[in-house]
Amino acid sequence: GENVEQHPSTLSVQEGDSAVIKCTYSDSASNYFPWYKQELGKGPQLIIDIRSNVGEKKDQRIAVTLNKTAKHFSLHITETQPEDSAVYFCAATPWGAAGNKLTFGGGTRVLVKP
Amino acid sequence: DSGVTQTPKHLITATGQRVTLRCSPRSGDLSVYWYQQSLDQGLQFLIQYYNGEERAKGNILERFSAQQFPDLHSELNLSSLELGDSALYFCASSVFSGGSTDTQYFGPGTRLTVL
Repeated sequence: GENVEQHPSTLSVQEGDSAVIKCTYSDSASNYFPWYKQELGKGPQLIIDIRSNVGEKKDQRIAVTLNKTAKHFSLHITETQPEDSAVYFCAATPWGAAGNKLTFGGGTRVLVKP
Repeated sequence: DSGVTQTPKHLITATGQRVTLRCSPRSGDLSVYWYQQSLDQGLQFLIQYYNGEERAKGNILERFSAQQFPDLHSELNLSSLELGDSALYFCASSVFSGGSTDTQYFGPGTRLTVL
């Protein structure tokens, strides 16, 4: 089955700096890669996703890049703000009628220092 | 607010007991997913239902079972509870047409504590 590894496990940045989180996956059939943000006491919230037919996607201060050959994808947050402090999870799944289970990375705890 | 509701928010019970967690998907979503989040195992997929039928299964224990009802709400039943079952249990929902992946929206979770 799919295995997703995520690095780093913790990340501390100064407000205004950029943050980068990297994930690798093992199943070449995976073609959908969402990123979730989880704040304390809440459920994961989708912040951006990318499909395998696209190499990069951007939404305001957040961008995701995908390298299918190397089987890795990354989340980039620019101009970080204190409200970006949370745990971020990457995930991967192969699409198809067999189901839509997400395999998650281990998470990255991001702390943005004012 | 994702539109996915879960009850109860917290549940405290003893080993050996049985509990039921409930989930209502977003309006229009036909698929429901259950995930377990624990400190040592992270976020793990348990099971998916689509329009009342089981669609995909993860590492769900035999002591756990789920179902999706005609009104599309779902219940996760956990029996013969052990200390290690203490975790956050999340429900997610999506449209899931069966032909491609789609966005999963997560509920706020149920925190289960087994004493």
